[in-house]
Amino acid sequence: DSGVTQTPKHLITATGQRVTLRCSPRSGDLSVYWYQQSLDQGLQFLIQYYNGEERAKGNILERFSAQQFPDLHSELNLSSLELGDSALYFCASSVESSTDTQYFGPGTRLTVL
Amino acid sequence: GENVEQHPSTLSVQEGDSAVIKCTYSDSASNYFPWYKQELGKGPQLIIDIRSNVGEKKDQRIAVTLNKTAKHFSLHITETQPEDSAVYFCAAKMAGGSYIPTFGRGTSLIVHP
Repeated sequence: DSGVTQTPKHLITATGQRVTLRCSPRSGDLSVYWYQQSLDQGLQFLIQYYNGEERAKGNILERFSAQQFPDLHSELNLSSLELGDSALYFCASSVESSTDTQYFGPGTRLTVL
Repeated sequence: GENVEQHPSTLSVQEGDSAVIKCTYSDSASNYFPWYKQELGKGPQLIIDIRSNVGEKKDQRIAVTLNKTAKHFSLHITETQPEDSAVYFCAAKMAGGSYIPTFGRGTSLIVHP
């Protein structure tokens, strides 16, 4: 158990809908990262937050957005969902922005029908 | 940007044999190389990492070697056990939390009892 929690574990929804994925980092970790894992793309970095502020951005679509709250939990919002958004979404956390080691949560499996 | 190639995509071994997974990277500035193990239904878990100032690192039955000149690094698992069956990911990044790791596509290791 990495100490990173994610909810929900599974999410099934329809195209065009909007969903919110939630992540709680390990106790004391200030940095949160979001990744998308699909069969044909591997682990793709989406976005990083550090202590409430956006720190780095990867291949995140404009339909996707994220934020980190004062209690350090983070939410990833996915809107106007398409079939191709079906994937595993992982959150990872690290102690601070200068730390290399990331600890991953168990993921949220999103299925868009 | 960084590009990480990982081989093989699937590796099948008998219990007790050794397993080797190889990765190459493109950015000579990368100096931190973690390896993650992902079991079915779980998030990636860090199992070992190496920095560019060392050529080899061992932790019980697993070891990682790094050749900075050739820009490749490898994961070695000795005396494999069925519980080693999982997907293994390599990654490369510049040290420092503001840099995001680039992951390989993963190797599915199957250890037959």
